[in-house]
Amino acid sequence: AQTVTQSQPEMSVQEAETVTLSCTYDTSESDYYLFWYKQPPSRQMILVIRQEAYKQQNATENRFSVNFQKAAKSFSLKISDSQLGDAAMYFCAYRSARGGSEKLVFGKGTKLTVNP
Amino acid sequence: GAGVSQSPSNKVTEKGKDVELRCDPISGHTALYWYRQSLGQGLEFLIYFQGNSAPDKSGLPSDRFSAERTGGSVSTLTIQRTQQEDSAVYLCASSSRTGLGNTIYFGEGSWLTVV
Repeated sequence: AQTVTQSQPEMSVQEAETVTLSCTYDTSESDYYLFWYKQPPSRQMILVIRQEAYKQQNATENRFSVNFQKAAKSFSLKISDSQLGDAAMYFCAYRSARGGSEKLVFGKGTKLTVNP
Repeated sequence: GAGVSQSPSNKVTEKGKDVELRCDPISGHTALYWYRQSLGQGLEFLIYFQGNSAPDKSGLPSDRFSAERTGGSVSTLTIQRTQQEDSAVYLCASSSRTGLGNTIYFGEGSWLTVV
């Protein structure tokens, strides 16, 4: 079974600075998808960024980018120019590309605080 | 609808009572998921629907938990004889069936408290 580990229960960053959230995963599969979701106090999970394992190029979405290291099974999220609105729980998630296994497997999350 | 809609938003129930949680997915989304999030924890997968069938119900924690989906749309998660450990946020999500990398959209959840 796949597992996802987020080793940082809490992180903090100063507004306008850069922060990196760590995520590692364990799988025997070669084809899969990785995601970062943000959960603000409203509880709704919002997709931040997605990475296909077969792509070597790291995904970027505006101020959000990932460092995907397939051999190391590492998938970190970098937030540049942090804003107060970035404060939330961040969850890393894994999804198999094998048909029939549609579910996302989540880590336990990292609580990000942004200090003004 | 515009997003995944869940009801009730909050529910307080007495231990031993049955509860029903409802999920209305995004219109046209054939895949529907239920997850449970306990306080300070990550999301625990419960069940996955594709249309009206449930190819993966491996996450249901006990036979007190059941879910159904009718008309390929609305889903109901039922918890019978609720226990205090059932207290959690129950999140529903949906996605279109256009590939396994497609985005899964979540609702705001139903916060269940068993007293």
